[in-house]
Amino acid sequence: DAKTTQPPSMDCAEGRAANLPCNHSTISGNEYVYWYRQIHSQGPQYIIHGLKNNETNEMASLIITEDRKSSTLILPHATLRDTAVYYCIVRVRPNTGNQFYFGTGTSLTVIP
Amino acid sequence: DTAVSQTPKYLVTQMGNDKSIKCEQNLGHDTMYWYKQDSKKFLKIMFSYNNKELIINETVPNRFSPKSPDKAHLNLHINSLELGDSAVYFCASSQKWNTEAFFGQGTRLTVV
Repeated sequence: DAKTTQPPSMDCAEGRAANLPCNHSTISGNEYVYWYRQIHSQGPQYIIHGLKNNETNEMASLIITEDRKSSTLILPHATLRDTAVYYCIVRVRPNTGNQFYFGTGTSLTVIP
Repeated sequence: DTAVSQTPKYLVTQMGNDKSIKCEQNLGHDTMYWYKQDSKKFLKIMFSYNNKELIINETVPNRFSPKSPDKAHLNLHINSLELGDSAVYFCASSQKWNTEAFFGQGTRLTVV
């Protein structure tokens, strides 16, 4: 019952920007957008999150559309170590009874 | 020092057995979680604890029970193990519900 939609796979050339899209058309006002990635056999790793403003940290940038129905994770200079499954997650307050939705994710392959 | 540690990393056991997976975090976080990742790589929340209080209990079988002796630990007990319980179980923690979560490296449970 994921509330996000992502392409199943993407390729990106090493050194180029990787732009990973996510649709969350049913997002509501108090829901945050989180991005995590999972490198093979490891635990998921937090990347970035935001509510409605664009965000940037040392790993990536998060662009959220004005209507908040979609977002894009940008890895500015992809390296081979960025090959992973990237999850876009919509998250709400736990005590509302709503779930934490990990979708199927996008499998990003960075090509030398 | 590992922020979120799980033991054991691998667990092979027979159907009908009772087993436990331990999780400890040394980050001083208030909230801890258990996730299950099945063979299709879907990552689903099972439980979360905030200040020793269960605040999310997904529709998991009551054979699964989280136990939190203190804020730094959230152990997962599983009774009468079934073949379908085979999966990778991830523990995670976060400072608050809307901050990033740190995941452990997972416990691969195989029921034979």
